[in-house]
Amino acid sequence: TQLLEQSPQFLSIQEGENLTVYCNSSSVFSSLQWYRQEPGEGPVLLVTVVTGGEVKKLKRLTFQFGDARKDSSLHITAAQPGDTGLYLCAGARSGGYQKVTFGIGTKLQVIP
Amino acid sequence: KAGVTQTPRYLIKTRGQQVTLSCSPISGHRSVSWYQQTPGQGLQFLFEYFSETQRNKGNFPGRFSGRQFSNSRSEMNVSTLELGDSALYLCASSSQGDYGYTFGSGTRLTVV
Repeated sequence: TQLLEQSPQFLSIQEGENLTVYCNSSSVFSSLQWYRQEPGEGPVLLVTVVTGGEVKKLKRLTFQFGDARKDSSLHITAAQPGDTGLYLCAGARSGGYQKVTFGIGTKLQVIP
Repeated sequence: KAGVTQTPRYLIKTRGQQVTLSCSPISGHRSVSWYQQTPGQGLQFLFEYFSETQRNKGNFPGRFSGRQFSNSRSEMNVSTLELGDSALYLCASSSQGDYGYTFGSGTRLTVV
């Protein structure tokens, strides 16, 4: 059982469409990170959110951390082929040494 | 500054053999974490080292071990390889676990 549930797991959309990816848990996290991974490479950190209710924007990407710090969403506006990749959310829990747990990922394909 | 370096990039081993993977973190990063990534399970946490001490360990059998040297470089070892150990092994370094990892490109291990 995944501690962090991501949905959808697969998404294929046309260029210019909007999309939202969700990351949900029953656990509270001290921070939540989003990564993008391309084939054959390691994940690359996009953003970290730490405060409940926090919203961060990175160009066409908007990240939101839930008020209770148990869930997060990633919204992409006007998706482009360069957005194609595996999007991973990861939660870190405090209390002693942090251990970061990853969701299984959302595989996004943007068709030109 | 140089990123996280993992060697080798690709490895093919036979069942029953053992393998050692290497990771050089970003200069100044004292925390190194290892993850196993497979299509069905996503990223699974193996262990984390900080200043040569293992701080956290995931739910993997004792065949998986690691260590960290005084220069923060880390190695992980898998003994008595099984077919199911075929995966992408990712190393990540951080200066503070809550605020995101920098990943290497990974070592793709294939066990035949």
